[in-house]
Amino acid sequence: DIQMTQSPSSLSASVGDRVTITCRASQNINTLLNWYQQSPGKAPKLLIYATSKLQSGVPSRFSGSGSGTDFTLTITSLQPEDFATYYCQQGFSSPRAFGQGTKLEIK
Amino acid sequence: QVQLQESGPGLVKPSQTLSLTCTVSGGSVSSGSYYWSWIRQPAGKGPEWIGRIYTSGNTDYNPSLKSRVTISLDTSKNQFSLRLTSVTAADTAVYYCARDRVFYFDQWGQGALVTVSS
Repeated sequence: DIQMTQSPSSLSASVGDRVTITCRASQNINTLLNWYQQSPGKAPKLLIYATSKLQSGVPSRFSGSGSGTDFTLTITSLQPEDFATYYCQQGFSSPRAFGQGTKLEIK
Repeated sequence: QVQLQESGPGLVKPSQTLSLTCTVSGGSVSSGSYYWSWIRQPAGKGPEWIGRIYTSGNTDYNPSLKSRVTISLDTSKNQFSLRLTSVTAADTAVYYCARDRVFYFDQWGQGALVTVSS
């Protein structure tokens, strides 16, 4: 099974900051990497699929990059609604697997 | 816009069977474009994929749960269901149903908390 590891586990930032979250896969997953945002008490929401494709309705301040085993999610100009937990997920093979999450908190 | 809604008991006794149903509206579970997945999330942890079903009835399960899981489809009711047998406290989690675009999950239900306790 493919394991997904995110770093950091938590991150403090201010409104207007630029932040980067990293996700590493235990083996090559090509570009089949997806990112989700989860606010407390809510279901995860798809932000980015296939490494860099923005889901409909997602603001352009979110972007993704990478390939193979190393991937990043970047959020430019943080907004108050962006403070949440972010998960990566591999879509390369079964069983699908998620990272352990990165909690983005207000500094 | 497709919507998914989980339903079922919120409390299950240890060793019994957990049963949940996902009702899909605004779209059809018979659509050949999608799979339909179940995902769970214990408190404070990342999501765990349980398994999925295709419109043909073909299923794919997480090996960690495969011996205890059954996912089924009811096209007449536009629903799909989860059964998890022999539950323990470790199965306590929020359970989500989701539309599965093969590689990613683009629509999720709001989630159903299931607690395993006597």
